[in-house]
Amino acid sequence: GDSVTQMEGPVTLSEEAFLTINCTYTATGYPSLFWYVQYPGEGLQLLLKATKADDKGSNKGFEATYRKETTSFHLEKGSVQVSDSAVYFCALSEYNFNKFYFGSGTKLNVKP
Amino acid sequence: DAGVIQSPRHEVTEMGQEVTLRCKPISGHNSLFWYRQTMMRGLELLIYFNNNVPIDDSGMPEDRFSAKMPNASFSTLKIQPSEPRDSAVYFCASSPAGGDYGYTFGSGTRLTVV
Repeated sequence: GDSVTQMEGPVTLSEEAFLTINCTYTATGYPSLFWYVQYPGEGLQLLLKATKADDKGSNKGFEATYRKETTSFHLEKGSVQVSDSAVYFCALSEYNFNKFYFGSGTKLNVKP
Repeated sequence: DAGVIQSPRHEVTEMGQEVTLRCKPISGHNSLFWYRQTMMRGLELLIYFNNNVPIDDSGMPEDRFSAKMPNASFSTLKIQPSEPRDSAVYFCASSPAGGDYGYTFGSGTRLTVV
């Protein structure tokens, strides 16, 4: 079945450091891929998405590229800020099913 | 657009009591999802609806849990009777048709059963 695996957290970085959060997936068809962010006490917010192979999603300085050959969708940011501290979820959705599969979440702590 | 609206934001109840959580999806979204989030189990999909019809309720933990969507603008998740292990944050999310639009989540209801 479909599933998403993302790296264990927490990830602790200093401000302006480079961020990578790994995400790999298993899917039977041709999924769309997403990253969501959850700030403390809030619901999940869509951060970026990619709907087909080699697409790059980007938003707020974050990027992720849909790599079908490695079944990956790693999240990157060149220079993190304290305000980026949150939990990040990788997710996939198969178009025909409109059902999402979420990873377990990776907590990011950015220190000043 | 006001987004997905959940109520109440916080609920504290005694074991054995009935609890009802409410959700108003975004107008025009035809899919609605209920999730539960805990530290131990992360995000769990409980049930989802397409066009007000329950499609998959395999995530509903027990018969004590039930969900309804009487119309396109309202859904409820009910726990009767509640137990301390039901303590969690419950999220409602909605989306348009198709899987590549993404969900919009509500702010959640933090349920504490004492």
